[in-house]
Amino acid sequence: DAGVIQSPRHEVTEMGQEVTLRCKPISGHDYLFWYRQTMMRGLELLIYFNNNVPIDDSGMPEDRFSAKMPNASFSTLKIQPSEPRDSAVYFCASSPPGTGNAAQHFGDGTRLSIL
Amino acid sequence: DAKTTQPTSMDCAEGRAANLPCNHSTISGNEYVYWYRQIHSQGPQYIIHGLKNNETNEMASLIITEDRKSSTLILPHATLRDTAVYYCIVRVVYNFNKFYFGSGTKLNVKP
Repeated sequence: DAGVIQSPRHEVTEMGQEVTLRCKPISGHDYLFWYRQTMMRGLELLIYFNNNVPIDDSGMPEDRFSAKMPNASFSTLKIQPSEPRDSAVYFCASSPPGTGNAAQHFGDGTRLSIL
Repeated sequence: DAKTTQPTSMDCAEGRAANLPCNHSTISGNEYVYWYRQIHSQGPQYIIHGLKNNETNEMASLIITEDRKSSTLILPHATLRDTAVYYCIVRVVYNFNKFYFGSGTKLNVKP
């Protein structure tokens, strides 16, 4: 079975540019999560969706960050304008419906470098 | 919300059991204990979770003390591919914004 698919795997861009990260969750999963990982702060939850609806975006660092989930099989995380401090590995994860204690399945991440 | 305390690093000989401890002394009755691991340059991988009882799956065993204040993840026969950072997490069911990964334990499996 295909896991969570993220693209691109690596992104290098200049400060001020718009960055769009993409995620395809596992088919049948109704929860989708976006995380950011840095050496300083570890793994942080940015936002999560349930049935394509954003449930909690309290982890989104500022208005430059936005996330959408137009359908059950696709989500984007956008940074506009990007800044060097946004450099990190961004992970997408999904989990299946059910009791709420299910495991989250992570993609391999997008390594973002803002110059 | 309960936080966890784990050793920074541990070594284990290949083929031996790896026992990774986790302290969660402030855990509440409705919080589960989860274990994930992250191999270098990959996303975190789910290992196992439990509430009160000990759990076992094809990857590992989870031993939770009777008072639930600590737990141990056991990899019965560690291999070099088990070298990773292991995260112990406690969270209330459906409380996704409280899924706090912490610093984890770097397990080094040596030949």
